[in-house]
Amino acid sequence: EAGVAQSPRYKIIEKRQSVAFWCNPISGHATLYWYQQILGQGPKLLIQFQNNGVVDDSQLPKDRFSAERLKGVDSTLKIQPAKLEDSAVYLCASSLYEGTVVYNEQFFGPGTRLTVL
Amino acid sequence: GESVGLHLPTLSVQEGDNSIINCAYSNSASDYFIWYKQESGKGPQFIIDIRSNMDKRQGQRVTVLLNKTVKHLSLQIAATQPGDSAVYFCAERREKLTFGTGTRLTIIP
Repeated sequence: EAGVAQSPRYKIIEKRQSVAFWCNPISGHATLYWYQQILGQGPKLLIQFQNNGVVDDSQLPKDRFSAERLKGVDSTLKIQPAKLEDSAVYLCASSLYEGTVVYNEQFFGPGTRLTVL
Repeated sequence: GESVGLHLPTLSVQEGDNSIINCAYSNSASDYFIWYKQESGKGPQFIIDIRSNMDKRQGQRVTVLLNKTVKHLSLQIAATQPGDSAVYFCAERREKLTFGTGTRLTIIP
């Protein structure tokens, strides 16, 4: 079974530039997550999709970050404009379905390492 | 602040010995906990989970212990191998998954 795919694996940009990350979840997984992992810390949830709808984006800095999952499969995360503190690994994860009672394992992709200079 | 934390940022263990990684949580309402392993350049990988109605759960070479009285859980890895070198995170799930800061486990040959 293919895992969660992410691209690019690495990206270096200057502050105030824009950047986009792409994620292809495991086939059949309804729930997709974007996490930000700053060096030395655990991943922090940015946004959660159920199919193509947003379930939780409470920790997404909406003035500069946006994400979409138009057809309920692939997803993109965009940062515009980037700041120095956005340097981190951006992880995508997917799971079969997540409800309030049912929890299915989240499978993580390898991440995109972003460096903002 | 974070509701999930780890006691030690680094742990070095001799190959073949057992490893114990500890984690504290603050929310007594947390009902589900997961341990993840993250190797360099990879995303976190599920190791084992435990629900709050359990005290112990065993997997292959791993055991998770949950002490709800002191809000503490631990991950025990038996007979550690070089492939166990990684950062280990505990995470709790309420509305969403909340990760701790991680413990880097280094295996000494």
